[in-house]
Amino acid sequence: DVKVTQSSRYLVKRTGEKVFLECVQDMDHENMFWYRQDPGLGLRLIYFSYDVKMKEKGDIPEGYSVSREKKERFSLILESASTNQTSMYLCASSLSTSGTAEQFFGPGTRLTVL
Amino acid sequence: QKEVEQNSGPLSVPEGAIASLNCTYSDRGSQSFFWYRQYSGKSPELIMFIYSNGDKEDGRFTAQLNKASQYVSLLIRDSQPSDSATYLCALLGWGKLQFGAGTQVVVTP
Repeated sequence: DVKVTQSSRYLVKRTGEKVFLECVQDMDHENMFWYRQDPGLGLRLIYFSYDVKMKEKGDIPEGYSVSREKKERFSLILESASTNQTSMYLCASSLSTSGTAEQFFGPGTRLTVL
Repeated sequence: QKEVEQNSGPLSVPEGAIASLNCTYSDRGSQSFFWYRQYSGKSPELIMFIYSNGDKEDGRFTAQLNKASQYVSLLIRDSQPSDSATYLCALLGWGKLQFGAGTQVVVTP
């Protein structure tokens, strides 16, 4: 079974703090993704990566950065957390970006910024 | 206009009945479509995908795609209380998924 893990289920940070969200997958997948999920808005793509050290902006990259130094690990960084970044953050991975490639999701990190 | 539109619900369905969920999209170039199920407090999991016009069946689930009319639907036959969840429609474009906001389904005994 594919397993995608995220470093924390719940996280509380203060405005202005630097926040790191870690994601690890154990199936040698090429592609990894970071989404945020908000009520009524669905999942929105923040950043994704096709390969080590590669990154592509998604639909809402502002205020975020990412790092992929190893194939299995994809980190999301909030340089200076703000209250509007309070959300559920979901990491996903897929074997490829072909038309039928399934994305497997981690359990999510619920981030609250005070 | 959102690229992927779903009725947010909740869609209330009696146990044993058919649940019908609809999704419309604006990008005519989209080729692959996915239905994910998300239980409350959990992450999404794939139910099925479809990329050809017509119907695709998998157990109690049937996905229907009509590219000319730009909609994809999901039918859940013999609905069970365990089907109560939010169902997310997604389409694949440029190597990334575009998700709808989801339809909440509540199956009542």
